[in-house]
Amino acid sequence: DAGITQSPRHKVTETGTPVTLRCHQTENHRYMYWYRQDPGHGLRLIHYSYGVKDTDKGEVSDGYSVSRSKTEDFLLTLESATSSQTSVYFCAIRGTVNNEQFFGPGTRLTVL
Amino acid sequence: AQSVTQPDIHITVSEGASLELRCNYSYGATPYLFWYVQSPGQGLQLLLKYFSGDTLVQGIKGFEAEFKRSQSSFNLRKPSVHWSDAAEYFCAVALRTSYGKLTFGQGTILTVHP
Repeated sequence: DAGITQSPRHKVTETGTPVTLRCHQTENHRYMYWYRQDPGHGLRLIHYSYGVKDTDKGEVSDGYSVSRSKTEDFLLTLESATSSQTSVYFCAIRGTVNNEQFFGPGTRLTVL
Repeated sequence: AQSVTQPDIHITVSEGASLELRCNYSYGATPYLFWYVQSPGQGLQLLLKYFSGDTLVQGIKGFEAEFKRSQSSFNLRKPSVHWSDAAEYFCAVALRTSYGKLTFGQGTILTVHP
């Protein structure tokens, strides 16, 4: 499972509240990614990191921010959650061979 | 714009029948190509990948995929489907110079009838 954990696994929150999701990896991978999964859209990249304090935007970054102060942790923050951010969020790491990615178990977020 | 298309949203097959799931991509150069599988309520598992070389690649669980440059396709196949193959399947691509960022197709849900 590439040593990836996500927390929390489930969260229900209200519109306008801040939310932080955590991705933790134990294998010292340099590249980490956050995706969201919605029916009919597959997975879409939110943000990614290519090293400590090195991050960049993905396809659907509006309303999200990220931070990576340690190699093992990649945090995704919704500053003010909206109902459109109800989704399943997956963290991934890039393995050592040719861009293959391995995914965490996911976090199901519901914004009421 | 770069894109990945899985034309079939839902496919139903009988157990023991053969399977082909289609994937087409629109990129200027040959990207890295992947197939992932997701069982209900689970994360994504990498089935197989194509980077270069032999255009027919073998994966786990008896799956294979064939890269066809002329058709910009990377179709997934299995000669005999098992009931446990029921899941959602995602094709994904990454540019070779893109920090590994994946672009996914919309997914194909596979139902297997006994």
